[in-house]
Amino acid sequence: QQPVQSPQAVILREGEDAVINCSSSKALYSVHWYRQKHGEAPVFLMILLKGGEQKGHEKISASFNEKKQQSSLYLTASQLSYSGTYFCGTENTGGFKTIFGAGTRLFVKA
Amino acid sequence: NAGVTQTPKFQVLKTGQSMTLQCAQDMNHNSMYWYRQDPGMGLRLIYYSASEGTTDKGEVPNGYNVSRLNKREFSLRLESAAPSQTSVYFCASSKPTGEVGQPQHFGDGTRLSIL
Repeated sequence: QQPVQSPQAVILREGEDAVINCSSSKALYSVHWYRQKHGEAPVFLMILLKGGEQKGHEKISASFNEKKQQSSLYLTASQLSYSGTYFCGTENTGGFKTIFGAGTRLFVKA
Repeated sequence: NAGVTQTPKFQVLKTGQSMTLQCAQDMNHNSMYWYRQDPGMGLRLIYYSASEGTTDKGEVPNGYNVSRLNKREFSLRLESAAPSQTSVYFCASSKPTGEVGQPQHFGDGTRLSIL
């Protein structure tokens, strides 16, 4: 099953923070996060493995709650370059394919 | 280093025509994937190949076939194109099978329109 992302879209001013959530109805082994700019290919941001770890990438970090089968992506002090669509991808225990959510469109304005 | 290369970048077909989308990677990755992307639907997995010589169905395999020609190349074929297959197709690859949690590297996509 496709993971559910929320919100579907968000508009920020430069410097504001945002949280994007990803939840699955199945047990998760890992969660991937990607960003896609309009007309381009998705680009890898980070992967979180089960164990509840939190990772960071510049001012973008993420957490993974294995028990709740949820992950959240945190964007702090947003920049114009953060605009794009963010996808989470989930790998279920025992499988090696990644299923992506429908995406969250993020727009940062000056 | 080219990464993942997809050809063609754009294509227009008529209903019923056949077409093969090509994908090649130069990163020595074992696993390769085909996705389609439609507005509001995200990336949906069509087929994947965990390693050379194996292929498996993803979420939306109907109407498609794949061939893992060798370790580098993974092609997607539409035997009889339908308007519902109008989409952007992405190929991706990742590190060796068995290592769960490997990032996927995507090609630039093929924009396919079927009239």
